[in-house]
Amino acid sequence: NAGVTQTPKFQVLKTGQSMTLQCAQDMNHEYMSWYRQDPGMGLRLIHYSVGAGITDQGEVPNGYNVSRSTTEDFPLRLLSAAPSQTSVYFCASRPTRTGGVYEQYFGPGTRLTVT
Amino acid sequence: KNQVEQSPQSLIILEGKNCTLQCNYTVSPFSNLRWYKQDTGRGPVSLTIMTFSENTKSNGRYTATLDADTKQSSLHITASQLSDSASYICVVSAVSNSGYALNFGKGTSLLVTP
Repeated sequence: NAGVTQTPKFQVLKTGQSMTLQCAQDMNHEYMSWYRQDPGMGLRLIHYSVGAGITDQGEVPNGYNVSRSTTEDFPLRLLSAAPSQTSVYFCASRPTRTGGVYEQYFGPGTRLTVT
Repeated sequence: KNQVEQSPQSLIILEGKNCTLQCNYTVSPFSNLRWYKQDTGRGPVSLTIMTFSENTKSNGRYTATLDADTKQSSLHITASQLSDSASYICVVSAVSNSGYALNFGKGTSLLVTP
């Protein structure tokens, strides 16, 4: 298993540009999520999905869109990049929608810089 | 408001020494507590997961403790190695409408020097 994969690893955008961060998992996990990690702060939840076709907002959803057309893929779209979106983005997945002590797996991250 | 506080913010120790990282939380209703290790430029990797009824859990040289009454946890690293240099993140899970909500601490940055 490749686990959780993310592309690209690094990206530089100009203010106002749009882009999609890709995330895929091959563990057949129902639950997938996107986090951002900023210096001096804990990881913050952007959006999450409890299964194909179902998405919901997390703590900091503004400026980001998601969709979940398949179990495997959960892309994150930046509609109009702003310098405040400069961050490291992590995708994560876990095997169960509710209940139990589950293991959550993180991808390697995408480092995004918006100038 | 659910909060997870970690201390110290950073720590430098000599190779071979032991150290203990602290995590205090105010998360309700509590489900479980986990410690992650995050190497520079990598995603977090789980070290231990503890539920309410577990007091101690080990993973090699890493031993986590949980006191659910005082809402405190610690991560003890024995005989540190250079490869232990990383950020250690305490995450407390609360039951929520979506199943489980994860509350992340800011992490303790550990540097092990030769």
